[in-house]
Amino acid sequence: RKEVEQDPGPFNVPEGATVAFNCTYSNSASQSFFWYRQDCRKEPKLLMSVYSSGNEDGRFTAQLNRASQYISLLIRDSKLSDSATYLCVVNWGIGTDKLIFGTGTRLQVFP
Amino acid sequence: EAQVTQNPRYLITVTGKKLTVTCSQNMNHEYMSWYRQDPGLGLRQIYYSMNVEVTDKGDVPEGYKVSRKEKRNFPLILESPSPNQTSLYFCASSLLPSSGANVLTFGAGSRLTVL
Repeated sequence: RKEVEQDPGPFNVPEGATVAFNCTYSNSASQSFFWYRQDCRKEPKLLMSVYSSGNEDGRFTAQLNRASQYISLLIRDSKLSDSATYLCVVNWGIGTDKLIFGTGTRLQVFP
Repeated sequence: EAQVTQNPRYLITVTGKKLTVTCSQNMNHEYMSWYRQDPGLGLRQIYYSMNVEVTDKGDVPEGYKVSRKEKRNFPLILESPSPNQTSLYFCASSLLPSSGANVLTFGAGSRLTVL
């Protein structure tokens, strides 16, 4: 099993749609979770951290399910500008500095 | 502006010709790291550094060297580049990850082609 696994997509959705991505992780000791956004050939940028109780930032909602070891990202009212690759990032356990990146899920929003 | 700057952004070289990719950050971050990104493989860590004079191997360190003589700089050295090191390279920095504040700031990337 991969350490961090994501569906590569692409997810093709119309403007205004709601879309959700999941990311599974294999290490139950992982403590920190993030979603990064990467535009084509550009550097990854932090979209949002994922907190245990779930958190929302505008149209974006992130959730953590420790029992099933996955995190999710929900995007409501998709915009053309949301088209990008979304990377799931997980730290590798308590007291470790290692971050593991998923290979990313590509989202394409069309008019 | 808080940023991570890496150079060169694009480089084409030949097998065996030593090269260095520089990385500099102006945020006083302790932690710096190099990644390579290849299609279908995602971001893989090459080397990282927790502070000055402290460096450790990541997942794919073979063929690379790093140094951390100053807090702000973390150059990546390819002593004898080979075609399998053709990739997109990112430098990143953050406060110490174990502090819980491990939000990485990435440089713009360096696209390296080794012929």
